[in-house]
Amino acid sequence: GENVGLHLPTLSVQEGDNSIINCAYSNSASDYFIWYKQESGKGPQFIIDIRSNMDKRQGQRVTVLLNKTVKHLSLQIAATQPGDSAVYFCAESKKTGFQKLVFGTGTRLLVSP
Amino acid sequence: EADIYQTPRYLVIGTGKKITLECSQTMGHDKMYWYQQDPGMELHLIHYSYGVNSTEKGDLSSESTVSRIRTEHFPLTLESARPSHTSQYLCASSSRTGGTATNEKLFFGSGTQLSVL
Repeated sequence: GENVGLHLPTLSVQEGDNSIINCAYSNSASDYFIWYKQESGKGPQFIIDIRSNMDKRQGQRVTVLLNKTVKHLSLQIAATQPGDSAVYFCAESKKTGFQKLVFGTGTRLLVSP
Repeated sequence: EADIYQTPRYLVIGTGKKITLECSQTMGHDKMYWYQQDPGMELHLIHYSYGVNSTEKGDLSSESTVSRIRTEHFPLTLESARPSHTSQYLCASSSRTGGTATNEKLFFGSGTQLSVL
C-alpha cells in the first residue's frame, strides 16, 4: 500500500538559516505531491505542490524538489523565520478515480532566534 | 485564507453521548473530506464526499457517519461517543479546476478537538 514517511521527526535551525525537510514515498503511481504546514491548534495550511512531470517548483521562500528515481520529496525554506516553526506534512495522491491525499507522519521545524 | 469553518473548536463530553461536528465551506467546492489526527501524527481520511448526496468511507475505519444534503455543509456524527474517539477532527474541501498543479489542493478548517471522558 501507500507509504509516505519523513526522515526526521524534528528539525531545529537558527533564524536565517535555510531548512530542508525530507519526505520519502513508496507509491510510484503517485503523480501529485503537496506540502502542508500545521501550526499548533490549527488546520494544515497549503504551502506548495508539484506534479510528477516536474522536478522542481518554487514559491515565495519555498522550493519543492521531486526525485522520482528514488521516490523522494523535499521542501526547502530559505531564510527560515520563527514564524516558520510548525509541523510540516508531505502528502501524495494518484490519478485513479477520486483524488485522496495520503499524508506522512510530519516533521516538526523549530526555529530559534 | 480558506473559507471553511468548523464548530465547535473544542468539545469535552461524557461517554455515550451523541455528538455532531459541524463543517461548512463558502467556496462552492464539490468535494469535502473528514480527517482524523492524533497529536503529532499524520492525518487519516475517515469520510469524503464527491458532492450532494454522495458519501464514502475513507481509509481509516470510523464509527462516525456523515451526510451531505447541501454543497456547503458536511457534518460528522457520532451516535455514542467513547474515549477511543478522542482525537482532532479536521474537515477539508477541494475543487478540481483547470489543469494547473494547484487544482487539487485541500483547504482545511481549524479542526475540532474532541475529548470523550
